[in-house]
Amino acid sequence: GDSVTQMEGPVTLSEEAFLTINCTYTATGYPSLFWYVQYPGEGLQLLLKATKADDKGSNKGFEATYRKETTSFHLEKGSVQVSDSAVYFCALRDNTGANSKLTFGKGITLSVRP
Amino acid sequence: KAGVTQTPRYLIKTRGQQVTLSCSPISGHRSVSWYQQTPGQGLQFLFEYFSETQRNKGNFPGRFSGRQFSNSRSEMNVSTLELGDSALYLCASSLYGEGNNEQFFGPGTRLTVL
Repeated sequence: GDSVTQMEGPVTLSEEAFLTINCTYTATGYPSLFWYVQYPGEGLQLLLKATKADDKGSNKGFEATYRKETTSFHLEKGSVQVSDSAVYFCALRDNTGANSKLTFGKGITLSVRP
Repeated sequence: KAGVTQTPRYLIKTRGQQVTLSCSPISGHRSVSWYQQTPGQGLQFLFEYFSETQRNKGNFPGRFSGRQFSNSRSEMNVSTLELGDSALYLCASSLYGEGNNEQFFGPGTRLTVL
């Protein structure tokens, strides 16, 4: 079945540091890929998405490129802020048929210190 | 436009009891999905409802059930609660639950089973 693997956490960075969070996936078809963020006490928010190979999703300074050849969707940000501290989830959705099911990675906690 | 709302936000139950959680999607959204979030298993898909019909189901025992009403509001029920059912239960809604429809998550219901 479909699966998503994220790098182990937690991650602690200083403000303005470069961020990379690795994500790889296994899927039988051609999934859409997502990054969600969860702030303390809240639900998930969509951060960015990509729906086909070589697409680049971007939002709030975060970027991720859908790499079919390496089945990866790594999240990057050039300069993190304290407000980026949250839990980040990589996810995929199988585009076969009509369904909303998201398959998530384990999530990684990011802490940014001033 | 109001977001996805979930009630109650917190619940404490004892083993063997049953519980019903409620989710009100964003107005106009017809697809509602449920997820269970635990520290050990992460985010796992429970089921999806679209136009009052269950369209997809995750790998959970029959104690977990749900339904959707004609106004798209959804409920999930867990019978004969076990300690391992303690989790954050998240609901997500989208317009049609397919294609590029974004899923919007509610804040979740925190269930504690004693």
